[in-house]
This record gives sequence, structure tokens and C-alpha cells, in this order.
Amino acid sequence: IAGITQAPTSQILAAGRRMTLRCTQDMRHNAMYWYRQDLGLGLRLIHYSNTAGTTGKGEVPDGYSVSRANTDDFPLTLASAVPSQTSVYFCASSTSEKGTQYFGPGTRLLVL
Amino acid sequence: GQNIDQPTEMTATEGAIVQINCTYQTSGFNGLFWYQQHAGEAPTFLSYNVLDGLEEKGRFSSFLSRSKGYSYLLLKELQMKDSASYLCAVREGDYKLSFGAGTTVTVRA
Repeated sequence: IAGITQAPTSQILAAGRRMTLRCTQDMRHNAMYWYRQDLGLGLRLIHYSNTAGTTGKGEVPDGYSVSRANTDDFPLTLASAVPSQTSVYFCASSTSEKGTQYFGPGTRLLVL
Repeated sequence: GQNIDQPTEMTATEGAIVQINCTYQTSGFNGLFWYQQHAGEAPTFLSYNVLDGLEEKGRFSSFLSRSKGYSYLLLKELQMKDSASYLCAVREGDYKLSFGAGTTVTVRA
């Protein structure tokens, strides 16, 4: 049982390029989340999805989009990357929006 | 909105006890979580408090006072592997989880 997987593990991206970070969970959790973690700022919620087919905006959604076509997958897309999006991105899931959140291993993204 | 404060760094000796405090301000408190995060790794769940009082899990305990907007994580019998960042997170409403910046604990031999 893998839990939550994220891909890629790390990426260097030129500014202006489009990038999709992948997140897959095999725990049949209904709720999924994307966070970014920056030094000194802690984890900040980008987007979330309480169930397949629905998504919502978190604290820092600008420049990012998500989709939730099925229960297992929750990709995060940067339409046109900027250097300020350099960060570590964590995907998380929980049984419901009220449940404990469990995190994937993260994607380290550097935008130049 | 959330305002979550926790110390930036703490240092302690192997075998000792360390207490990490977390204070918060929220309009719709619905639970407090503690996570452990080793350098370069994902946060892992440690504890959850929604009612006042102490929750004990082996060497780790977490306390909550809702009236004071205060929680602490107590780490006993410190081991070198406990060197990590500890994140306090407050749930507001149904789903929104807001994190503090984290406390880096260094355990010295």
C-alpha cells in the first residue's frame, strides 16, 4: 500500500512554462489538498477538494489550478510558472474534510 | 483568519523533556493537530485535540486549553531521532487547516 504518491520528486522549470504536479492516493480518501511550504512561512493551502468532482480555493490559489476527475487523483497545474512559485509542494488527503490529513512525500520545484 | 504562534527553535539534551507551546487566535476553532516533520520529508501526524485536556501517546503528549487559545506538545525521554520540526495546526470550521511556521527541535547527545 503506497498511501499518497507525488510526481515528480523534484523539478527545475523555466519561468513561463506550464507544469503539472501529480498526486495519487490509494486510501479511498474523499478529501484531498495541495499545500506549499516555504521557509519561515509554514504550510499554506493552495486548493482543496472535499470529494470527486468538486474543488475549492485555499489561502494562496493565484497562479494554480486543480481538477478532481476521480477519487484517487488530484493534479496541480501551474499555467505559467514564475520564480515566486519556487517551493516544496505537498499533497495531502483525509477520509473527509473533518478527518486527519496525511501527506505525500512532496515535490521540490525550482522556477528560474 | 488564523494567527498561530510557536517558537522557532528549541534545543534539548538526549533523555530530557521539551515542551513546545502553540498559541492561536481563531473565530471557529474545530480542533488542533500536531505534526512532526524531519528535514526533507513529509509532515507526519502526531496528535489531535478538540476538547480541553491532555492526550498521551507514549513519549508524546499534547495539551489543549480552548479558553486560552493554547496548546503544547510535550516530548519526554528525548531521543536523537526526535530532532525535527514540529508543526502546530488549527482547524477552523469544517476543513480549513492553518499551520504555524513550525518549531525546530535539536536534540544533543
